[in-house]
Parts: sequence; structure tokens; C-alpha cells
Amino acid sequence: GDSVTQMEGPVTLSEEAFLTINCTYTATGYPSLFWYVQYPGEGLQLLLKATKADDKGSNKGFEATYRKETTSFHLEKGSVQVSDSAVYFCALARGAQKLVFGQGTRLTINP
Amino acid sequence: SQTIHQWPATLVQPVGSPLSLECTVEGTSNPNLYWYRQAAGRGLQLLFYSVGIGQISSEVPQNLSASRPQDRQFILSSKKLLLSDSGFYLCAWGPKPFASQNTEAFFGQGTRLTVV
Repeated sequence: GDSVTQMEGPVTLSEEAFLTINCTYTATGYPSLFWYVQYPGEGLQLLLKATKADDKGSNKGFEATYRKETTSFHLEKGSVQVSDSAVYFCALARGAQKLVFGQGTRLTINP
Repeated sequence: SQTIHQWPATLVQPVGSPLSLECTVEGTSNPNLYWYRQAAGRGLQLLFYSVGIGQISSEVPQNLSASRPQDRQFILSSKKLLLSDSGFYLCAWGPKPFASQNTEAFFGQGTRLTVV
């Protein structure tokens, strides 16, 4: 079945560091790919998405490129801030009905 | 604009007691509705989804059930809670996609359930 694998957390970085959170997926066909973010005590918010190969999703300085050849959708940000501390979820949707999430990566940014 | 309401925000229940969590969506019609659970230190697990009134698909066999009595209302229930039911429960909705479009989901604030 469809699945998403994220890099193990937690990830701890200093402010202004470069961030990469790896995400790979297994799915037949051409899924849409998403990154969601969960701030402490809150529900999930959509951060960015890409719906076809080579698309780049971007939002709030974060970027991820849909790589079909490597079945990946890695999240990157050039300079992280303390306010970026959260749990990040990679997800895919194939077909009309449901999202499949990875296990989440907890990110902590120290000032 | 569309909004999703989920309550209560926190809940502490004894083992063996019943459970009812409610979720309602405003500003849209005929949405797809979802219940997810996030256990401590783990990812999101899809529990149930619904494409219409009375239509429930269960992803994981367990101690929980779901119902959709109205178009924009989704209820998560249990007759007798177990310790393992503790977790963070998230309701979500997604628009019906056109043709081959894939759906995305919009989440409520979540309910933290502690079974003691």
C-alpha cells in the first residue's frame, strides 16, 4: 500500500541554520505530495504542496520539489527561525479520498 | 470561508467509560471527513473517513467507531475506553476533488484524550 517515510527526529538546529527534512514515498501512479506543520498544542496546517513531478511547492521560506525519479519530497529552508519549531509531516494523496502521513519530524530551533 | 470545529479540546476519562468526540464543518457542503489519531511520539494514523452521510470507512480495526449523522457532522465514539485509546485525535475535512485531482485536508484543533 501507499506509505511515507520521514527522517527520524528530533532535529535540533541553531537559528539561521539550513534545514533539510527528508521524505520518501511509495505509491503507484502519480500522487500529490504535501508538507503539514503542527505547532505546539494545535492541529495541522498545510505548509506546501506539489501535485506533479518536478513541481516545487513553497511557503514561508520553505521549499520542496516533487522528484519522481527518487520518489522524494524533501523539505528545505535556507535560514530557520525559533518560530519554525514544530512537528513537520510529509503526506501523500493518491486518488480522491484520503491522505497518508509520515511519522512526523520534531524540529527545535535554538536562539 | 470554511471552518472546522472540534470539541472538547481536552478530555480525561476512566477506563471502561464511553467516548463521544464531535466535529462539525461550516462553510462547505458534501465534504470528505476524516478522523486521525496521533499517539505520543508517533505519527498520524487514519482511523476513519467518510465521503457522505452514513458512509464510513474504517482503516484500522479497533475499539472505536465513527458516525456521520449529518452532512457536516462527524462523531468518534467508543462504548468502553481502553488505556491504549489515549492520544491526540484530529478531525479533518477535504473538498470533493474534480476528476483526477487529489485532495488535501484541513484540520481541527484536536482533542487530547487521556484514559486513566
